[in-house]
Amino acid sequence: EDKVVQSPLSLVVHEGDTVTLNCSYEVTNFRSLLWYKQEKKAPTFLFMLTSSGIEKKSGRLSSILDKKELFSILNITATQTGDSAIYLCAVTGGTSYGKLTFGQGTILTVHP
Amino acid sequence: GAVVSQHPSRVICKSGTSVKIECRSLDFQATTMFWYRQFPKQSLMLMATSNEGSKATYEQGVEKDKFLINHASLTLSTLTVTSAHPEDSSFYICSASFGGSLTDTQYFGPGTRLTVL
Repeated sequence: EDKVVQSPLSLVVHEGDTVTLNCSYEVTNFRSLLWYKQEKKAPTFLFMLTSSGIEKKSGRLSSILDKKELFSILNITATQTGDSAIYLCAVTGGTSYGKLTFGQGTILTVHP
Repeated sequence: GAVVSQHPSRVICKSGTSVKIECRSLDFQATTMFWYRQFPKQSLMLMATSNEGSKATYEQGVEKDKFLINHASLTLSTLTVTSAHPEDSSFYICSASFGGSLTDTQYFGPGTRLTVL
């Protein structure tokens, strides 16, 4: 059975801090790893990673995948209160396209 | 682009009634749509995958007779919770994708909060 584990489960920081969120996975025939941000409603897409070692970057957020060690990290630099959210990691694999297996999520709280 | 809507955003119903939730892809044709359920402070759990024009594929443990899914067109999928009970109260989220090798990138709707009294 596919499995995704995120750590930490929750994190409280102050504005300006840098945070690193972790995601490890076990999946048959890995295809991709995705990061989502969820505020009060449904998740919004952040990154999709398929290749090892290639950093994806969007503003203050960046992410990288290590397919050998089966994990990914999501970095957020110079955090702002608007970054407070649940960050979800999901993987796809096997023969079923589109089936996302989600981790438990990391609840990030950024205080002013 | 790739906007997905859900209706209603919130519904409160009495135990024993049926509730229908709509999921629409507004600006693209979604070959595949997915239905998820999320309990408070928990992650999303996939309930079923639906492809336009065919029967939905349900995940293990999800009762197909209780959660009826219809994907009648490339822009609309519906989830009907039949004979709802309080334990069905949850946040239901749909997602849509272009299908095929692009299916892994899913676009989520805003979710529907169901409360069964």
